[in-house]
Amino acid sequence: DAKTTQPPSMDCAEGRAANLPCNHSTISGNEYVYWYRQIHSQGPQYIIHGLKNNETNEMASLIITEDRKSSTLILPHATLRDTAVYYCIVILGTGANNLFFGTGTRLTVIP
Amino acid sequence: SAVISQKPSRDICQRGTSLTIQCQVDSQVTMMFWYRQQPGQSLTLIATANQGSEATYESGFVIDKFPISRPNLTFSTLTVSNMSPEDSSIYLCSVEGEGTGELFFGEGSRLTVL
Repeated sequence: DAKTTQPPSMDCAEGRAANLPCNHSTISGNEYVYWYRQIHSQGPQYIIHGLKNNETNEMASLIITEDRKSSTLILPHATLRDTAVYYCIVILGTGANNLFFGTGTRLTVIP
Repeated sequence: SAVISQKPSRDICQRGTSLTIQCQVDSQVTMMFWYRQQPGQSLTLIATANQGSEATYESGFVIDKFPISRPNLTFSTLTVSNMSPEDSSIYLCSVEGEGTGELFFGEGSRLTVL
């Protein structure tokens, strides 16, 4: 499975959009991009996933570049409860047993 | 979605003892996954537990140290054997949503080994 690169930390002002980048330059054509987050002292929480097209749900939007080598997770109106570590993961199909959690991005939402 | 309950939520254990962590899911699932998260680190998959067969362990994890049971489709246990301080971690149980590709996680079991 392709490995991912994320910045170790980011800050975002409350109410503003949080844009979390992820590089996955070695992604193959049938690998999906998944995003999870882990709020302190809790288990990871699924956010969103996509293959080629941009995706949106009630939590976030996922923008995948045309060459699929990078993606951006967008939290449109960040709140203090969005402070967490965000993991970008690339896996083949649903391949849960191949899920590799990298170091992620620690997002801090500032009042 | 799936709701996962883990017990204990936390424990403090003595070196050389063993502890069994329980994971209960509110629906029947084919595979259950056990992860370890060491302090300040990311998650590492320990093993995949299928009902009716032996668990499949990832590199660096062995059955003698982390025996797993999977007696039915809603329950699994992970035992951390002969514990040392290096085993101090959060242990997480997870399941995959049927056809959704997303993983659901329990709240984790935080073990501290003295």
